[in-house]
Amino acid sequence: EVQLVESGGGLVQPGGSLRLSCAASGFTFSDHYMDWVRQAPGKGLEWIGRIRNKPNSYTTEYAASVKGKFTILRDDSKNSLYLQMNSLKTEDTAVYYCARNSITGTTGLVYFDYWGQGTLVTVSS
Amino acid sequence: DIQMTQSPSSLSASVGDRVTITCRASQSTSNHLNWYHQKPGKAPKLLIYGASNLQSGVPSRFSGSGSGTDFTLTISSLQPEDFATYYCEQTYSLPHTFGQGTKLEIK
Repeated sequence: EVQLVESGGGLVQPGGSLRLSCAASGFTFSDHYMDWVRQAPGKGLEWIGRIRNKPNSYTTEYAASVKGKFTILRDDSKNSLYLQMNSLKTEDTAVYYCARNSITGTTGLVYFDYWGQGTLVTVSS
Repeated sequence: DIQMTQSPSSLSASVGDRVTITCRASQSTSNHLNWYHQKPGKAPKLLIYGASNLQSGVPSRFSGSGSGTDFTLTISSLQPEDFATYYCEQTYSLPHTFGQGTKLEIK
């Protein structure tokens, strides 16, 4: 059974840092790209970034809203994904989800077929 | 960035009803369009990928259609467990973007 379990959320002051983790099991983690999506309280979903797999040099992509302050990392030996968040602002308050990225078809259809339960990050003084 | 606009933003319907939700992209996304639903306090769940492909394990009452800029999600006969918020998402280009959501409520 595929499982993604996030941890590391909590209350942090503006300007602070936090590192989220996502522990994966039930599939070959190293094969997949992995993404982070967040959801502010009462709001919709916002894609924030991706890390590709080893054959694709672990390259990363970020949304403009987090580029330069968030960093996505992975450790395939531990089946783990990380989100390092620096210079946090109140507008970064959200539930953060990790999601497994799957790709299929000749045109490379991308979709998020498994999601973690989410971890809440609250940025407040 | 590609903007995704869903309509309606909210919808009241009854068990057994046929429901259609639409999603429009600000530019073509070919068929790189996914649908999810989300229940309160839970993670989103994938329903449809590639505009019309039913995700494994998802009931056949869900179907998707469209290409280019206009897409629809149809639920042929609403069940109690279908009351949730529905999101479309384009994965044609980065950054991936979601619609604002359609909240499906019980009438």
